Amino acid sequence: QVQLVESGGGVVQPGRSLRLSCAASGFAFNYYGIHWVRQAPGKGLQWVAVISYDGNAQYYEDSVKGRFTISRDNSKILVYLQMDSLRVEDTAIYYCAKDFFNTQGYSGKNHLRNFFDQWGQGSLVTVSS
Amino acid sequence: EILMTQSPVTLSVSPGERATLSCRASESVNNKVAWYQQKPGQAPRLLMYDASNRASGFPARFSGSGSGTEYTLTISSLQSEDFALYYCQQYNKWPLTFGGGAKVEIK
Repeated sequence: QVQLVESGGGVVQPGRSLRLSCAASGFAFNYYGIHWVRQAPGKGLQWVAVISYDGNAQYYEDSVKGRFTISRDNSKILVYLQMDSLRVEDTAIYYCAKDFFNTQGYSGKNHLRNFFDQWGQGSLVTVSS
Repeated sequence: EILMTQSPVTLSVSPGERATLSCRASESVNNKVAWYQQKPGQAPRLLMYDASNRASGFPARFSGSGSGTEYTLTISSLQSEDFALYYCQQYNKWPLTFGGGAKVEIK
């Protein structure tokens, strides 16, 4: 079955960096975009970033643009979220989530449906001095 | 960015009763609305997409409707496992945005 497992969370001081990983299994990873979505403690959901199936396109939420970088290694079936210049307000559970759209056999330009049909269990990032 | 406003924030319903959750977008989102269910300590689960298409694993008592800026999630007869948080999300424009969530609790 589809599985997404996040790792790399922890406690970090403001201004420092952290890298999250998302390991995927149970589906044809190289045909799907992968998103990161976060949830501050006791709060709602906030989309953070997405990377296309081939890694050629990335999109970010404005508050993380220039600080976070999403990347993927299809040979290792991993997606990463490099988080630099972390702020207290970045404290959250970070979920990786699979995009709904299967790009296999698709030759169009829109490689993402931008909603999430499978989620990991999340990795907690706490930014605190 | 498109603001998604959910109402009510909390809905108290007895088992077997109907629950109706609303989601209003700050501009038209062309039916590009998804709904997610989240239970305590768990990741969200996709429940509905394209406003009215039910995701696999959810029974027919869940239905979605709407157009333009107004969308609704209806649970026709609440079962014990349906008491949870529900979020709407628009994917018509970047950035992707969620509503603040609605809690369906036992009355």
